[in-house]
Amino acid sequence: SQKIEQNSEALNIQEGKTATLTCNYTNYSPAYLQWYRQDPGRGPVFLLLIRENEKEKRKERLKVTFDTTLKQSLFHITASQPADSATYLCARLGSSNTGKLIFGQGTTLQVKP
Amino acid sequence: NAGVTQTPKFQVLKTGQSMTLQCAQDMNHEYMSWYRQDPGMGLRLIHYSVGAGITDQGEVPNGYNVSRSTTEDFPLRLLSAAPSQTSVYFCASSRGGNTDTQYFGPGTRLTVL
Repeated sequence: SQKIEQNSEALNIQEGKTATLTCNYTNYSPAYLQWYRQDPGRGPVFLLLIRENEKEKRKERLKVTFDTTLKQSLFHITASQPADSATYLCARLGSSNTGKLIFGQGTTLQVKP
Repeated sequence: NAGVTQTPKFQVLKTGQSMTLQCAQDMNHEYMSWYRQDPGMGLRLIHYSVGAGITDQGEVPNGYNVSRSTTEDFPLRLLSAAPSQTSVYFCASSRGGNTDTQYFGPGTRLTVL
């Protein structure tokens, strides 16, 4: 099956450090990947999209990379803050033009002051 | 714009009862989807729609019905609730296309006793 997997273990880091979250995919080569943020009790919110021909994408303190050889996307938060604490979800389209996103299970990030 | 709205926020049902989860969007999006989120399982697609009058099944459709009579509304019906349907339900909408970004509602937390 076409899976998309994230590390289910929570990531705990100290404020000011860089957080790195991993998204792996198997049996499929997505044309792009999306990253969402989800706070407790709320719906996911879109953060970034990266296409397969883009090695890296940045938005303020966020950076996403896409390695088609390793079948992996990395999501980085530099100079992390306690307000960055949330669950981060990786997603790809199940099939084009249908709005069907396939999500990973998400990784919870906890940034300690 | 209110974005994507969902009602109710919380609901408790007894096994065998039926109910409808409401979802509405005011962004004139063609695509709408329903997901359920369970601990350790991530977001799983229940049903989706690519436009008024068009719906299709997602990954976990059993026990749920949908219809799409207008662009704005996409209700999810539970015909005979079961404890396995205890979950948090999210509705999402998008413009569609290969780089589709989804906008999620705040969710409905459903408990079936």
